[in-house]
Amino acid sequence: GAVVSQHPSWVICKSGTSVKIECRSLDFQATTMFWYRQFPKQSLMLMATSNEGSKATYEQGVEKDKFLINHASLTLSTLTVTSAHPEDSSFYICSASATNYGYTFGSGTRLTVV
Amino acid sequence: QKEVEQDPGPLSVPEGAIVSLNCTYSNSAFQYFMWYRQYSRKGPELLMYTYSSGNKEDGRFTAQVDKSSKYISLFIRDSQPSDSATYLCAMSEDYKLSFGAGTTVTVRA
Repeated sequence: GAVVSQHPSWVICKSGTSVKIECRSLDFQATTMFWYRQFPKQSLMLMATSNEGSKATYEQGVEKDKFLINHASLTLSTLTVTSAHPEDSSFYICSASATNYGYTFGSGTRLTVV
Repeated sequence: QKEVEQDPGPLSVPEGAIVSLNCTYSNSAFQYFMWYRQYSRKGPELLMYTYSSGNKEDGRFTAQVDKSSKYISLFIRDSQPSDSATYLCAMSEDYKLSFGAGTTVTVRA
């Protein structure tokens, strides 16, 4: 089946620094990748949608200058949290989509900003 | 009002019982309906996927969709402790998924 690898699974960073999260589709080419944020005991909230080679589309209320998304190839998308602050601490999950593959999720990244 | 409503539970059942989960939605444009299972600190895993009203069965899992009532259900038969997880319903219009809040299920041995 389709596999999406997300790395790192867990990261702690200091306030003011930037953190990059990678999302790779291992055995298929993802036409679209999605980034979600999930708070404890809450559902997944879509942050942005990205297509390979084009700018990401951000959901209302998501700061595009803070959450930089790059989708450089059909198998890799990255989310960079810039100038992270404690309120950015959350569980970030990526999803990759392609025809005949549906939506496949990565295993998530737990970000803690101290 | 949220587009997708799901009772967060928690729901606790004895091993072997039937687990019944459901979601309601307000957007009649939703075309695809999914159920995901999420273990703690992991990404969601697709369990069931359907696009039409009616029942779909896969092993111990049965998904029901009633578009006229905007209501979907997931039933887990012969539940096992390994079924303990959070179950999320999800629906899509075009390419975006909208998720329910998730129901936390514990199956007691």
